[in-house]
Amino acid sequence: DIQMTQSPSSLSASVGDRVTITCRASQGISSWLAWYQQKPGKAPKSLIYTTSSLQSGVPSRFSGSGSGTDFTLTISSLQPEDFATYYCQQYSTYPLTFGGGTKVEIK
Amino acid sequence: EVQLLESGGGLVQPGGSLRLSCAASGFTFSSYAMRWVRQAPGKGLEWVSGIRGSGGSTYYGDSVKGRFTISRDNSKNMLYLQMNSLRAEDTAVYYCARDWGDSSGYCDHWGQGTLVTVSS
Repeated sequence: DIQMTQSPSSLSASVGDRVTITCRASQGISSWLAWYQQKPGKAPKSLIYTTSSLQSGVPSRFSGSGSGTDFTLTISSLQPEDFATYYCQQYSTYPLTFGGGTKVEIK
Repeated sequence: EVQLLESGGGLVQPGGSLRLSCAASGFTFSSYAMRWVRQAPGKGLEWVSGIRGSGGSTYYGDSVKGRFTISRDNSKNMLYLQMNSLRAEDTAVYYCARDWGDSSGYCDHWGQGTLVTVSS
């Protein structure tokens, strides 16, 4: 199975900060990587697919990059509604696997 | 508007069975693969199972293989997850999710989830 490792597991940031979350795959997954946002008690929300394509309706302050084994999610200017947990997911190979999550908290 | 509504969760004893349902609307159901993803209390996301749009191909995570069965009824726009031989570690919120296409593995829409608790 492909292991997905996210870092950091949590971070504290202020509104307006630039935030970067990394995700590393245990083997190459080409560009088959997605990012999801989850708020407490809510279902995950799709943000980015195929590494860098924004899901419809997602603000442009979110961006993704990378290929192969190393990927990043960047929030260019953190907004109050962005405080949440973020998960990466590879869909190159079954079983589909998720990273452990990165919780973005208010500083 | 895509809508996914799960039901069927509840409290079940270890070794018992439960059937989850997911009612889909707002899209051509048979054209999309569907997935079940779960989240144990306080934990991360775990992919459980998937099924192609036609229902002809199914996929399972190692932790549920041989115990869970995914199926769909395209005439009713319904997705199911039959869960047998349930264990305490199956306790989780179970989400129904739509695949971006018929086999991509990326989930572009999610239901609100249904809680399954396995306990004596």
